[in-house]
Amino acid sequence: GAGVSQSPRYKVAKRGQDVALRCDPISGHVSLFWYQQALGQGPEFLTYFQNEAQLDKSGLPSDRFFAERPEGSVSTLKIQRTQQEDSAVYLCASSIRNEQFFGPGTRLTVL
Amino acid sequence: DQQVKQNSPSLSVQEGRISILNCDYTNSMFDYFLWYKKYPAEGPTFLISISSIKDKNEDGRFTVFLNKSAKHLSLHIVPSQPGDSAVYFCAASAVRGAGTYKYIFGTGTRLKVLA
Repeated sequence: GAGVSQSPRYKVAKRGQDVALRCDPISGHVSLFWYQQALGQGPEFLTYFQNEAQLDKSGLPSDRFFAERPEGSVSTLKIQRTQQEDSAVYLCASSIRNEQFFGPGTRLTVL
Repeated sequence: DQQVKQNSPSLSVQEGRISILNCDYTNSMFDYFLWYKKYPAEGPTFLISISSIKDKNEDGRFTVFLNKSAKHLSLHIVPSQPGDSAVYFCAASAVRGAGTYKYIFGTGTRLKVLA
């Protein structure tokens, strides 16, 4: 079956621009996670949804970051007024039990 | 403070030999551990996991060992193949309710298997 998909795969934004990153999880997966991976680092947790409920957003670095999953399926991570330090790969993962399945990520470059 | 550490950023192994990747953690609340493999421009791919009630889990060429008293786990790949060349991430989590929660990842070890 289809895995987790993310779009766009690459995004270049000028500093101050708003961006929206999309995640399509595996059908039927209740849990959805967003991670940020800086160059040379491991992925770092941003936020977690169970169905449409955002149960943990403790990893979001600032109030410029906002995530939603209104119908409990597709999720969008929005970054307002992007800064250079936001440049990273943003990974989405979905799970039904213990193992999380990751999408290919969106590489965001802020100039 | 890094809760999950992979102290070797890179490792080179001859094809056919054993690869051993190591991971240390500090938080005793972690009770589920995973290894992911990552190729360039792709997301991490699940490889193998282990619950804290076990000390070993094996899947084909891959074996994960867990030493809870030392807060240490390792991934053994035998025999190593050139296609195993990738970055390997160790991750730790805590099981809650119906499944695991957020993962805490190490910084990764780049494995190169030489033909």
